[in-house]
Amino acid sequence: GAVVSQHPSRVICKSGTSVKIECRSLDFQATTMFWYRQFPKQSLMLMATSNEGSKATYEQGVEKDKFLINHASLTLSTLTVTSAHPEDSSFYICSAIGAGGDTQYFGPGTRLTVL
Amino acid sequence: GQQLNQSPQSMFIQEGEDVSMNCTSSSIFNTWLWYKQEPGEGPVLLIALYKAGELTSNGRLTAQFGITRKDSFLNISASIPSDVGIYFCAGSETSGSRLTFGEGTQLTVNP
Repeated sequence: GAVVSQHPSRVICKSGTSVKIECRSLDFQATTMFWYRQFPKQSLMLMATSNEGSKATYEQGVEKDKFLINHASLTLSTLTVTSAHPEDSSFYICSAIGAGGDTQYFGPGTRLTVL
Repeated sequence: GQQLNQSPQSMFIQEGEDVSMNCTSSSIFNTWLWYKQEPGEGPVLLIALYKAGELTSNGRLTAQFGITRKDSFLNISASIPSDVGIYFCAGSETSGSRLTFGEGTQLTVNP
């Protein structure tokens, strides 16, 4: 099946710093990637939808200047959390769909802890 | 916005028992998906449903796409300890578009 990877799997950073998370589709070309955030004991909340070569579409309430998304190639999307604060600590998960595909395949997630 | 109500929130069962969980929506979805998530990992797709009334099985798992397109259920037969995890339903208006997730069902299986 389709494989999606994320890097890093865990990151701890100081408040005020920026953190970049990578999402890669390993065995298919992902025309669309999605970024989710999941707080403890809660469901996945969609943050943004990213299409290769175009600007991401953010969900209501998600600050686009704080969560920078780049989808520069068909196999890589990055999420940069800028000026991170403790309330940004969460589990960030990406998913990807291939051209003509109809199923989202999820990455293993990145645990972000902001001190 | 769209909301998915998933129930039950949690289940504690004995190994070998059957399990049923369901999701209802305030609006119509054209695709229903069921995922399983284990601690510290991303969701893994279990079953995808694309047509109203569709009944699909994957091993001991069976899921149905409600005829009204506003609900779906997932059954697990003869549960085993490795079935432990959180099960999420998810729906989308069109295949391949953004997903709305249910709140999840935490399943615990006692050996």
